[in-house]
Amino acid sequence: SYELTQPPSVSVSPGQTASITCSGDKLGDKYACWYQQKPGQSPVLVIYQDSKRPSGIPERFSGSNSGNTATLTISGTQAMDEADYYCQAWDSSISYVFGTGTKVTVL
Amino acid sequence: QVQLVQSGAEVKKPGASVKVSCKASGYTFTSYGISWVRQAPGQGLEWMGWISAYNGNTNYAQKLQGRVTMTTDTSTSTAYMELRSLRSDDTAVYYCARDLGELHFDYWGQGTLVTVSS
Repeated sequence: SYELTQPPSVSVSPGQTASITCSGDKLGDKYACWYQQKPGQSPVLVIYQDSKRPSGIPERFSGSNSGNTATLTISGTQAMDEADYYCQAWDSSISYVFGTGTKVTVL
Repeated sequence: QVQLVQSGAEVKKPGASVKVSCKASGYTFTSYGISWVRQAPGQGLEWMGWISAYNGNTNYAQKLQGRVTMTTDTSTSTAYMELRSLRSDDTAVYYCARDLGELHFDYWGQGTLVTVSS
């Protein structure tokens, strides 16, 4: 089966940069996307096709994907960015797979 | 604007079935698929399966094969997910999401809490 692994937690100071990794075998050969989920809310797409931002998502959110790792970067992190973040990819063997999730804390 | 509105919370006994609905609006229903995703309390996201609203083709997660059925009613732009033989570990929030086809989900429903308890 295909697995995507994320760090359980990331801490960042306001205004600093947070980087969240997502690791999977040859992930760079697939498209990766990222969702933000705040407590009690539905997930929100923040990055798709590795590095594209949906309309309405702030420019401080960016993404990259190469080799075995996709990365979500939040530049100038704000308190409102505190949330759980999940990566996702599609693989022909098991269709969609989500990462294990990362809790971002803004200290 | 695109909206996916799901049915309300359910409480079921072990062994029972549940059917959750997801009514779409704001776009041409048959132009996209619908995926279902669930999230157990305090846990991560788990993809359950996909249905094409165009032709009804389905693709279910292997672990749910035989217990889950996804359908659509194009006359009402509504997708349905039925899960049978419920167990306590099926307790979760169930989400529908608009599926762009082997890529990502751009709109999500508000979620439906299904509690399985004797």
